[in-house]
Amino acid sequence: EPEVTQTPSHQVTQMGQEVILRCVPISNHLYFYWYRQILGQKVEFLVSFYNNEISEKSEIFDDQFSVERPDGSNFTLKIRSTKLEDSAMYFCASRRQLSKANYGYTFGSGTRLTVV
Amino acid sequence: GQQLNQSPQSMFIQEGEDVSMNCTSSSIFNTWLWYKQDPGEGPVLLIALYKAGELTSNGRLTAQFGITRKDSFLNISASIPSDVGIYFCAGPPQNAGGTSYGKLTFGQGTILTVHP
Repeated sequence: EPEVTQTPSHQVTQMGQEVILRCVPISNHLYFYWYRQILGQKVEFLVSFYNNEISEKSEIFDDQFSVERPDGSNFTLKIRSTKLEDSAMYFCASRRQLSKANYGYTFGSGTRLTVV
Repeated sequence: GQQLNQSPQSMFIQEGEDVSMNCTSSSIFNTWLWYKQDPGEGPVLLIALYKAGELTSNGRLTAQFGITRKDSFLNISASIPSDVGIYFCAGPPQNAGGTSYGKLTFGQGTILTVHP
C-alpha cells in the first residue's frame, strides 16, 4: 500500500533555529497538507498546498512557517525561527483528488519536533 | 471555527466488551470521518461517512452519520487489545462561499484502553 513518508522521525532543535521537515507524498497525489498535534491534544490543520501554491492556511501558519515542493517528490515545511511552543508532532498528508468520496486522505507517521 | 466534541474523553474496558463513542458539533458537517491513532503514528482512516443517516461497517467497527448532520457515533464490538489507541472524529468544515481544498477539523479524541 502506498505510504506518505516523513523524515526525520524526531528532531531536536535550539530555540531560534530554523528547521525543515520533509515529506514524500504518495506519487500520483495532487493535494498536500501539514497538520500539527501538540502532545495530548487534537490534530490541527496548518496548511494545504495545490498546484504549487498554498491554497488554504490556518491562523497557526504565520510568517515563521513556509512550505515548498522543491521537486516532483518532496514537500517540506520550514519553521524559520523556532519557539518552544512549536514543539509538537507534525504530520504530512496527501490525496489524489478532491472528490467528495475521497476525503479520508493518507497521513504520514509524523515528525516529532522538540524545541529546547 | 466549527468544533467537534468527542465523548467520552477516555475509556477503560475489558477485552471482549463492546465500545461506543460519539462526536457532536454545533454546526453541520457533510462528511464524517473516524480515524485511529496508535502511539507515535499518524492517524489512520477507519470509516468515512458521506450521507446523513448512513450506517457503515468495517469489520468489528460500525459508524453512523446522524440525521441532523451534527453528530456521529463509532461502535467497536468484541474489543481486543490491539484496539487500544486514540480515536478521532474529523470532517471538512463548512466553507463560507469559498473553495475548500480538503482541510479537516478534528475532535479532541477518545483514548481507549483495553485490559486483557
